[in-house]
Amino acid sequence: EPEVTQTPSHQVTQMGQEVILRCVPISNHLYFYWYRQILGQKVEFLVSFYNNEISEKSEIFDDQFSVERPDGSNFTLKIRSTKLEDSAMYFCASSWDSGSGETQYFGPGTRLLVL
Amino acid sequence: DQQVKQNSPSLSVQEGRISILNCDYTNSMFDYFLWYKKYPAEGPTFLISISSIKDKNEDGRFTVFLNKSAKHLSLHIVPSQPGDSAVYFCAANDRGSTLGRLYFGRGTQLTVWP
Repeated sequence: EPEVTQTPSHQVTQMGQEVILRCVPISNHLYFYWYRQILGQKVEFLVSFYNNEISEKSEIFDDQFSVERPDGSNFTLKIRSTKLEDSAMYFCASSWDSGSGETQYFGPGTRLLVL
Repeated sequence: DQQVKQNSPSLSVQEGRISILNCDYTNSMFDYFLWYKKYPAEGPTFLISISSIKDKNEDGRFTVFLNKSAKHLSLHIVPSQPGDSAVYFCAANDRGSTLGRLYFGRGTQLTVWP
């Protein structure tokens, strides 16, 4: 069964450093998403991406964040200058369609720890 | 942002009995609802969904009920099995104004004991 994959599974970085989180969505999906879950809190939407551009972003997704689909398979989330409060589990998701009842399928997540 | 609420952080049920997980929402524009299950160290796994034009959707042991007037939905698992032990997230989407953004509740930890 097709699945969303994410690398790395864990990332430890120093405050102020740049990190890139990688995702390989399900191959025939067209919509891509990033969510995060800070420990003990709810899963929060960051950004959605379609047709090589951002469709929607939340208030969390500020100028420190960027997303890219550098090739036909990868979808990346970059945090330019990490802060302590960026420590969280980051989930990538993909769907065939957007919000029209299409289910989003999630990857296993990348646990980011900013020291 | 408390648009989706799961007020019970945990639920403990004996194997074979019914598990009922509840979810409330405040945004009347939500028109699609999903339940996800999450095991430790894994991503959320889709379980079942319901559109606002329905009040019930069934898939095997899992049934979701939607009460739009009360802005409430529930997930019933019958019979419950130990393998159902996980965190269950309720999520909602407003298909009219957003492109797939899901709003999640905080989750309910279900424990099914033998």
